[in-house]
Amino acid sequence: EVQLVQSGAEVKKPGESLKISCKGSGYSFTSYWIGWVRQMPGKGLEWMGIIYPGDSDTRYSPSFQGQVTISADKSISTAYLQWSSLKASDTAMYYCARPGNQGVFDYWGQGTLVTVSS
Amino acid sequence: SYVLTQPPSVSVAPGKTARITCGGNNIGSKSVHWYQQKPGQAPVLVIYYDSDRPSGIPERFSGSNSGNTATLTISRVEAGDEADYYCQVWDSSSDPLYVFGTGTKVTVL
Repeated sequence: EVQLVQSGAEVKKPGESLKISCKGSGYSFTSYWIGWVRQMPGKGLEWMGIIYPGDSDTRYSPSFQGQVTISADKSISTAYLQWSSLKASDTAMYYCARPGNQGVFDYWGQGTLVTVSS
Repeated sequence: SYVLTQPPSVSVAPGKTARITCGGNNIGSKSVHWYQQKPGQAPVLVIYYDSDRPSGIPERFSGSNSGNTATLTISRVEAGDEADYYCQVWDSSSDPLYVFGTGTKVTVL
């Protein structure tokens, strides 16, 4: 059974750094892209970027390029989303999801709530 | 960048049919996927490749795509169908690569 399990909720202050994770299981982690999706409070879904763990090829949405860093450690089947300096506007739910053929996100993590507040 | 436009809300009585549209320039040339999201939960795929249903999704859910509009149809609506619905496409030649629609809140009266 394919599963994506994300790390727990985080509460941070503006300016702090953060790295959240998404562990894949039940499939060949290095053979599929894995992506991140943001959902701000009361808002819709926004695609942030994807990574191919097999060779670490990474693509970002123009809206998030330079704002976050996506990485992966294939030895432990885990993808990451990180910020070097959080802002209050980064407060959101973040989902990892696996895109398959024709870009369909067939499996999703449970989400990680990130709250940034002074 | 590519834009997908959905109506903010659709209201439907139990047992009736709900139709949710997703408008985009020549969307008929792309594969459209639909997700259901209930409050406090992660999105769930309900339709992929315009009209295919994942296992476990009721036959009441169907999809179509032509011209500039894709449509998700929910027949014989039940109270449990109340949720937000998002369309989504992938285009390897565009930036961003993946685009979600603006989302539609389906309310069961």
